[in-house]
Amino acid sequence: AQKVTQAQTEISVVEKEDVTLDCVYETRDTTYYLFWYKQPPSGELVFLIRRNSFDEQNEISGRYSWNFQKSTSSFNFTITASQVVDSAVYFCALRTSGGYNKLIFGAGTRLAVHP
Amino acid sequence: DGGITQSPKYLFRKEGQNVTLSCEQNLNHDAMYWYRQDPGQGLRLIYYSQIVNDFQKGDIAEGYSVSREKKESFPLTVTSAQKNPTAFYLCASNQGFTYEQYFGPGTRLTVT
Repeated sequence: AQKVTQAQTEISVVEKEDVTLDCVYETRDTTYYLFWYKQPPSGELVFLIRRNSFDEQNEISGRYSWNFQKSTSSFNFTITASQVVDSAVYFCALRTSGGYNKLIFGAGTRLAVHP
Repeated sequence: DGGITQSPKYLFRKEGQNVTLSCEQNLNHDAMYWYRQDPGQGLRLIYYSQIVNDFQKGDIAEGYSVSREKKESFPLTVTSAQKNPTAFYLCASNQGFTYEQYFGPGTRLTVT
């Protein structure tokens, strides 16, 4: 079975706090891709990052960083010094190598950053 | 600017009516997708098309139909057979299975 679990339904923080969004995935494939998307109130999904299963290097992009750990099947997302504009729903997604180009989405984590 | 357009942003229909949602992309992507999002849930795949004149059912295709006559266009029809059509519908496209999907702004359909 292939599945993505985002256990945190909602997170509320105060501006400038660091926040980590958890993502745990399940797949038996050895080749797969993981994604994070941001969905602001406007509704459009914005692509943030793609990571393939052979690249376990962590990545940092400005205030955003991602921690990929195959040993625990996790691909967590950290926002450093959060800002009000980070308020959105964040989705983690899995794409495996077999079959068509289907993304399996987690249920999403709603992040609210308060001034 | 390249991107995906969906129209209209909001759509209201009476129960029993078919309705077609538009999706157009100018990214020259071969593959296009339709997803449905319900409140508090992730996205679920309705239909996808990897090439013109070809499309496949996703996880929740019942009550929906699509066509892919042009590379740029992938309209979705919500038929009266769809039991619970009120939802947010998102169209996406990409080029190649390793690549991320890019999403349109979505259409919020309300059926009463």
